[in-house]
Amino acid sequence: NAGVTQTPKFQVLKTGQSMTLQCAQDMNHEYMSWYRQDPGMGLRLIHYSVGAGITDQGEVPNGYNVSRSTTEDFPLRLLSAAPSQTSVYFCASSRTGQDSPLHFGNGTRLTVT
Amino acid sequence: GDSVTQMEGPVTLSEEAFLTINCTYTATGYPSLFWYVQYPGEGLQLLLKATKADDKGSNKGFEATYRKETTSFHLEKGSVQVSDSAVYFCALTGGTYKYIFGTGTRLKVLA
Repeated sequence: NAGVTQTPKFQVLKTGQSMTLQCAQDMNHEYMSWYRQDPGMGLRLIHYSVGAGITDQGEVPNGYNVSRSTTEDFPLRLLSAAPSQTSVYFCASSRTGQDSPLHFGNGTRLTVT
Repeated sequence: GDSVTQMEGPVTLSEEAFLTINCTYTATGYPSLFWYVQYPGEGLQLLLKATKADDKGSNKGFEATYRKETTSFHLEKGSVQVSDSAVYFCALTGGTYKYIFGTGTRLKVLA
C-alpha cells in the first residue's frame, strides 16, 4: 500500500521562483492537509481540505496556494519563494478530519536561497 | 485557541529505563488526543490515540491515559530500547478539522 506519496523529496529554489509540491493518497480519505516543520516549532498547519473542491486556511497560509480537484491529490503551490519558506513540508490525510488519525507522507525538504 | 504543550527535550535514557514524556492541552469541548513518533528522515506515524476521558491508548509497550481533570496525556513506557530513539509529538483535534501539534520531544536511548 502506497499510503501518502509526496514528491519531490528535496528541492532547492531561488528567491522569487515558484513551484508545486505534489501529494497523493490512495486510501480514499476525505481530509488532506499540508504542514511545515521547523526546528523548535513543531508542525504548523498551512492549508487543509475536507473534500474535493473544498479548501481552507490553517495557521500559516501566506505565500501558499492549494486546490483539490480530486479526492486523491492535494498539491501545494509556492507562488514566489522566500527564504522564510525554507522548511520540511509534510502532507497528511485522514478518513474524516475529526477524530481519525493522520497518515503522513515522508516529507519534502525545501531550501530557498 | 486550542494548544498542546509538551516537555522540552532532549530526553536521554539508558536502555531499559522508564520513560515519561509530559503532554498537557488546552481545548474547548472534548478533543481526541494522539501521540505520533517520527524517525529520522521520515514522516510522523501514529503511535496511539484516545478519544474520550479515561481512555488509555497503548501500542508497542507505550501507554497514555486521557486525563480530563488535569488536561494531560502523558506518554509512558516501562522499558525503553535503543530502537525507541525518535521524536515524539503530542497532538489533539477538537472537531474543527485542525490538528494541533506540540513542538516535539527528542528521545535518545543509549545502549
